[in-house]
Amino acid sequence: AQKVTQAQTEISVVEKEDVTLDCVYETRDTTYYLFWYKQPPSGELVFLIRRNSFDEQNEISGRYSWNFQKSTSSFNFTITASQVVDSAVYFCALSVVYNTDKLIFGTGTRLQVFP
Amino acid sequence: DAMVIQNPRYQVTQFGKPVTLSCSQTLNHNVMYWYQQKSSQAPKLLFHYYDKDFNNEADTPDNFQSRRPNTSFCFLDIRSPGLGDAAMYLCATSRDRAIEKLFFGSGTQLSVL
Repeated sequence: AQKVTQAQTEISVVEKEDVTLDCVYETRDTTYYLFWYKQPPSGELVFLIRRNSFDEQNEISGRYSWNFQKSTSSFNFTITASQVVDSAVYFCALSVVYNTDKLIFGTGTRLQVFP
Repeated sequence: DAMVIQNPRYQVTQFGKPVTLSCSQTLNHNVMYWYQQKSSQAPKLLFHYYDKDFNNEADTPDNFQSRRPNTSFCFLDIRSPGLGDAAMYLCATSRDRAIEKLFFGSGTQLSVL
């Protein structure tokens, strides 16, 4: 079975602080894809990143960075110098190759960035 | 410009009164999905179309149906809404499979009175 766990239900930070959102996944498949999506108050989920299971290289995109570690089945997301506009619910998700039509979401982490 | 459009943004219906939610896309994607998201929960896949092929999730109630008359449009029909069906309904598309990036609409918030 596949599962995504986001243990942090809500995080509050003050602007300019760094924040890390944790994601732990479970799957027996060797080929899979991991994602992060952002859901702002408007409701629309916005794609942030996709990683396949064979690519453990960390990625940085502006203030965002992702740390993928297969040894701990984790795919953590760090926002550096957070801004109020980063306030949203962030979902980690998993898709496995044998069932490529289904995206399995974690329960999400609500991030509130205060000015 | 919005690429996945859901109408209406808010929908109120009565207990047991059929309701239809709509979704359209300008991306010409093969796959269209319907997700149900209840408050503070993860989106839950109800079903999806790969082109004209309908794929229902095993735990999706029979009360939920879907239609895809053409590539651009997809509808979610709730035949007899119950109070437990109140939720945000999200439509999404992908070019080929869920291993690719999904594009989501802004959702329809359904209330059942």
